[in-house]
Amino acid sequence: NAGVTQTPKFRILKIGQSMTLQCTQDMNHNYMYWYRQDPGMGLKLIYYSVGAGITDKGEVPNGYNVSRSTTEDFPLRLELAAPSQTSVYFCASSDLIRGEAFFGQGTRLTVV
Amino acid sequence: AQSVAQPEDQVNVAEGNPLTVKCTYSVSGNPYLFWYVQYPNRGLQFLLKYITGDNLVKGSYGFEAEFNKSQTSFHLKKPSALVSDSALYFCAVNGNNRLAFGKGNQVVVIP
Repeated sequence: NAGVTQTPKFRILKIGQSMTLQCTQDMNHNYMYWYRQDPGMGLKLIYYSVGAGITDKGEVPNGYNVSRSTTEDFPLRLELAAPSQTSVYFCASSDLIRGEAFFGQGTRLTVV
Repeated sequence: AQSVAQPEDQVNVAEGNPLTVKCTYSVSGNPYLFWYVQYPNRGLQFLLKYITGDNLVKGSYGFEAEFNKSQTSFHLKKPSALVSDSALYFCAVNGNNRLAFGKGNQVVVIP
């Protein structure tokens, strides 16, 4: 049972480049989330989705975009990378609105 | 808006001693509360949750948490800490269909 899978694990981007962080889950969960984790700041919600075709902004959506064409996949897009987007990104999913979330292993992104 | 406060940056405890990690929350309506643990270079792992019912919730690895509605708290506890419990602990609340996390507490268990 793979759970939540994120790729890549590490990435270095130059300022202005774009990339997509991939997230897929095999638990048939309706709810999926993207968080970023910065030291001493906890986790901040970037975007979330309550089902295929439905997405909504979290606390810190600027500079990011998402799509949810299938139940399994929830990619996060960075269009014009900036140093402020250097962070560790976590994808998560849950099967109930208020159930526990299952997390991927994270993507460590550095923008230089 | 919902929020979680974890007032201590780091909790140091001797191995074998009781461990407490504090959490207070703010949310409108009934809170759904969670504790997660994160080991270095890993994702978050679910420990336990409070939805309704008994205020004392038991979870994985011998951890438990007590929900106190009047104090809006959900402190994590373990009667006897192990060195392997050293990790980053996050409290989270879901009050409006979005999961909000505290900043985390680093727990250091000293042998």
